[in-house]
Amino acid sequence: AQSVTQLDSQVPVFEEAPVELRCNYSSSVSVYLFWYVQYPNQGLQLLLKYLSGSTLVESINGFEAEFNKSQTSFHLRKPSVHISDTAEYFCAVKNSGYALNFGKGTSLLVTP
Amino acid sequence: ETGVTQSPTHLIKTRGQQVTLRCSSQSGHNTVSWYQQALGQGPQFIFQYYREEENGRGNFPPRFSGLQFPNYSSELNVNALELDDSALYLCASSYGFKGTSGKWTDTQYFGPGTRLTVL
Repeated sequence: AQSVTQLDSQVPVFEEAPVELRCNYSSSVSVYLFWYVQYPNQGLQLLLKYLSGSTLVESINGFEAEFNKSQTSFHLRKPSVHISDTAEYFCAVKNSGYALNFGKGTSLLVTP
Repeated sequence: ETGVTQSPTHLIKTRGQQVTLRCSSQSGHNTVSWYQQALGQGPQFIFQYYREEENGRGNFPPRFSGLQFPNYSSELNVNALELDDSALYLCASSYGFKGTSGKWTDTQYFGPGTRLTVL
């Protein structure tokens, strides 16, 4: 069995400040890891993923996440956020099965 | 290349009724997964279809059923609707395969969802 814990339900941050959204998972086997973003009244958009190889993965809009196997974490970071980054962020884990197991989400609120 | 589309966008049903939700997968994809997202929660896996057969199923009762068609589009059917079935239903398409390790590998791309309200 595996589970995903997103430690913060809400993260308020000022525009141009750095942000870190935390994600920890529990799994006894190797995993694939994902971050998805959900804007209000929309579906999920894939932000970035870790399947294998380099433990640091980046998205095209400035987010990055690092897979840390010893700490079973996959935290999402951005050095400088924009108002448009305001959204719900979901961390998801998949091992040998077919399902994505999602955390409960972190609401990122960026204010001027 | 078109993305994942879902229909309808919104739906209102009464308890006990049946509903069918539809999903068109992204070009080149062979797998469709369905998720239920209750308000304020993360999505929960319902099931996945690969080559027209159920590939895996989450903890949902048999009144949740599905189909995948030869063009890889899919339907989710829910019978005997209950109030707790009110949620956003998300379809995700992917190109799935078993890697050299025997592990199922796919990256799921989601549609915009169907908002179902059961009264």
